[in-house]
Amino acid sequence: DGGITQSPKYLFRKEGQNVTLSCEQNLNHDAMYWYRQDPGQGLRLIYYSQIVNDFQKGDIAEGYSVSREKKESFPLTVTSAQKNPTAFYLCASSPGGGDYEQYFGPGTRLTVT
Amino acid sequence: EDQVTQSPEALRLQEGESSSLNCSYTVSGLRGLFWYRQDPGKGPEFLFTLYSAGEEKEKERLKATLTKKESFLHITAPKPEDSATYLCAVLDTGRRALTFGSGTRLQVQP
Repeated sequence: DGGITQSPKYLFRKEGQNVTLSCEQNLNHDAMYWYRQDPGQGLRLIYYSQIVNDFQKGDIAEGYSVSREKKESFPLTVTSAQKNPTAFYLCASSPGGGDYEQYFGPGTRLTVT
Repeated sequence: EDQVTQSPEALRLQEGESSSLNCSYTVSGLRGLFWYRQDPGKGPEFLFTLYSAGEEKEKERLKATLTKKESFLHITAPKPEDSATYLCAVLDTGRRALTFGSGTRLQVQP
């Protein structure tokens, strides 16, 4: 089955700890994205990557970091510098090359206390 | 700066009661407008892409339309399983990522 997987589904961390969220896709898509969703709000773009070894900051990149060493993988690290890290995190991918429909993973709910 | 505004924020319908959701947008140039459905605690599911004013697309009980300033998602004779949050997003010609609205929460009661 082709798709996007995110793990884990739920993640709990203490304040001051960095945490890495996994995102893998087997759709052979070039572009990958990370969004954050807070209750009752739309999706806000954190980082995106159009090709391997290249990524750009989105609208709310402060306190986050990413890497894109493989086409299939785009992990997101939530650092201790992120002031309000508790949220629902969504990873997406799109074919690129003029096709911009994004397909989403199931999400990771991060709770930091 | 791109802006996407969805209305209403929430909508409650009786089963079979047709209605429309609105998405108004401001962009410097529209490359595409996208509709998604999101169930609670899950990732959004892609529904439609519209590229130019006058375009329409349909899928089962849903029909999306586009003008130069807004898009409508028409729901005909909805069923309880249509209950979800519907998200609208735009892609500006100057950007490579979508800008999302905050969504309309639809509840269809039997």
